[in-house]
Amino acid sequence: DTAVSQTPKYLVTQMGNDKSIKCEQNLGHDTMYWYKQDSKKFLKIMFSYNNKELIINETVPNRFSPKSPDKAHLNLHINSLELGDSAVYFCASSQSGVDGYTFGSGTRLTVV
Amino acid sequence: KQEVTQIPAALSVPEGENLVLNCSFTDSAIYNLQWFRQDPGKGLTSLLLIQSSQREQTSGRLNASLDKSSGRSTLYIAASQPGDSATYLCAVRSNDYKLSFGAGTTVTVRA
Repeated sequence: DTAVSQTPKYLVTQMGNDKSIKCEQNLGHDTMYWYKQDSKKFLKIMFSYNNKELIINETVPNRFSPKSPDKAHLNLHINSLELGDSAVYFCASSQSGVDGYTFGSGTRLTVV
Repeated sequence: KQEVTQIPAALSVPEGENLVLNCSFTDSAIYNLQWFRQDPGKGLTSLLLIQSSQREQTSGRLNASLDKSSGRSTLYIAASQPGDSATYLCAVRSNDYKLSFGAGTTVTVRA
């Protein structure tokens, strides 16, 4: 069973479109995250939710809106996509406290 | 703000040599430190997790040490194999829930 699953794995879309990426975890963790890996492979946190509450919101354009319907799901919606949004987006989860993070396999977003 | 640095950025060794990957961080107030492996075009696989109270963790050929006071961790991979070729990422979990990543060390093990 996949612990943290993201869909879709690949997403190619035109500038100006709106798209969503979904993430689900079956580990029973209470905290979920979105990370962005840019072309230089550097991973940076975007958002974090703990028990459906937003706890980390880094400096991200407000075109990006996370939504957590329950603690097992964290979706990322992106409005008015721009070329610079092209990257790999990773979902992750952890149990608050001392556990490590588990990452999904990533969604490669290409904006053309 | 936590800054994580990994040295070297790239490493190429012949098969059988031991690998030493270094990670340093600026803020010693951490929960834990985690080493990941990333293969090209793939996700992150957790290798070792060291809690802030621990000095080292071992798993098979992998051993990671943590010196919190000096802000350093080292990942040792014994008797390297071509299958060890990947990018290794060090990530530090700070007290504010954030996981801060280094830029990674890309390892190539030559057969």
